Amino acid sequence: QQQVKQSPQSLIVQKGGISIINCAYENTAFDYFPWYQQFPGKGPALLIAIRPDVSEKKEGRFTISFNKSAKQFSLHIMDSQPGDSATYFCAANQGSSNTGKLIFGQGTTLQVKP
Amino acid sequence: NAGVTQTPKFRILKIGQSMTLQCTQDMNHNYMYWYRQDPGMGLKLIYYSVGAGITDKGEVPNGYNVSRSTTEDFPLRLELAAPSQTSVYFCASSLVRTGELFFGEGSRLTVL
Repeated sequence: QQQVKQSPQSLIVQKGGISIINCAYENTAFDYFPWYQQFPGKGPALLIAIRPDVSEKKEGRFTISFNKSAKQFSLHIMDSQPGDSATYFCAANQGSSNTGKLIFGQGTTLQVKP
Repeated sequence: NAGVTQTPKFRILKIGQSMTLQCTQDMNHNYMYWYRQDPGMGLKLIYYSVGAGITDKGEVPNGYNVSRSTTEDFPLRLELAAPSQTSVYFCASSLVRTGELFFGEGSRLTVL
């Protein structure tokens, strides 16, 4: 059962444009929502994360928008650069389970054209 | 610091063979995880451990076994390899249940 649904599967953006990746979740017990970035041949690495008590978090060019009532959250990459070309995964964590297990979305492959 | 180290990076197995994927971390993290990554499917949790001597099943444990005798090591055992186990396997660790996982570089396994 897929608990975190991510879209689009792939995305092509021009340099300087805005990249937007969306995720929806089902389990209202999730209380931590990280985004991971993965370059080819490497493991995923934490990019930015948010908790449901805030609606937005910004770190540099990366912003998470969170809509608790809709059970949706999204990643916005402003001024996208070719170096941002990677696969992005949203994820969710059920904190009450006390294990740190993450449920991942299917991933979005982003290509930023120069 | 090396972080999370996985070996081997690549391996080809024949159907029915067995092997162990090695994972070690030098960050003194309590929590360790094994995920598999298949195209278009994201990462699926196979097994996890919250400390030495404690392991538990994730979403897709069938065909795999793990052990955690030390804080540093968390090997994944594949018994009777099947083509469905062709995948990229990632080991990860975290200090507490924060959701910030530190991943290794992966082990690409092909079963023919």
